[in-house]
Amino acid sequence: AQKITQTQPGMFVQEKEAVTLDCTYDTSDPSYGLFWYKQPSSGEMIFLIYQGSYDQQNATEGRYSLNFQKARKSANLVISASQLGDSAMYFCAMRELTGGSEKLVFGKGMKLTVNP
Amino acid sequence: DAGVTQSPTHLIKTRGQHVTLRCSPISGHKSVSWYQQVLGQGPQFIFQYYEKEERGRGNFPDRFSARQFPNYSSELNVNALLLGDSALYLCASSPWDWMNTGELFFGEGSRLTVL
Repeated sequence: AQKITQTQPGMFVQEKEAVTLDCTYDTSDPSYGLFWYKQPSSGEMIFLIYQGSYDQQNATEGRYSLNFQKARKSANLVISASQLGDSAMYFCAMRELTGGSEKLVFGKGMKLTVNP
Repeated sequence: DAGVTQSPTHLIKTRGQHVTLRCSPISGHKSVSWYQQVLGQGPQFIFQYYEKEERGRGNFPDRFSARQFPNYSSELNVNALLLGDSALYLCASSPWDWMNTGELFFGEGSRLTVL
């Protein structure tokens, strides 16, 4: 079974600073995908970034980048120039293919607080 | 364009009752998935439907059921509610090949409280 581990329960960062959110994963599948979602207090899961296991370069989306280290099985999210609106829960997830279904396996998440 | 819409947004039920949650996917998306998110945890997969057929089911009891309609909207039904069913229920829609593109979009969820 696939597993996602997020060990940081919470982090605090000053506005405009960069922050790294940790994620490690475990899978025996050679082909996999890793996702990061942001969940504000409203509850909606907002897609941030995706990294495929065969992608040669680390994924980037605006202020978000994914530090993908395949040998270490880590997929850390880097947020540059933090903004107050970045305060939210952040979830790392991995796709899982079982039979004919596709699903995401999520970590427990971590809470990011951006201070002014 | 409208995103994934879910209703109701909040509801309170008592133990033993039944609940129906509804989801409308993004236009053009044929796959709908349901996730349960208990407070303090990440979401857990309940069901996936594609073209009105169940494609996958998570580790949930038979009290949980779902269906997808011809317009690709979906309902999640939970019978004989337990206190432990209190959670945020998230619906996600996607094109079939979302796995390689990251195109899995979630709604804001239905927050169920069971008393």
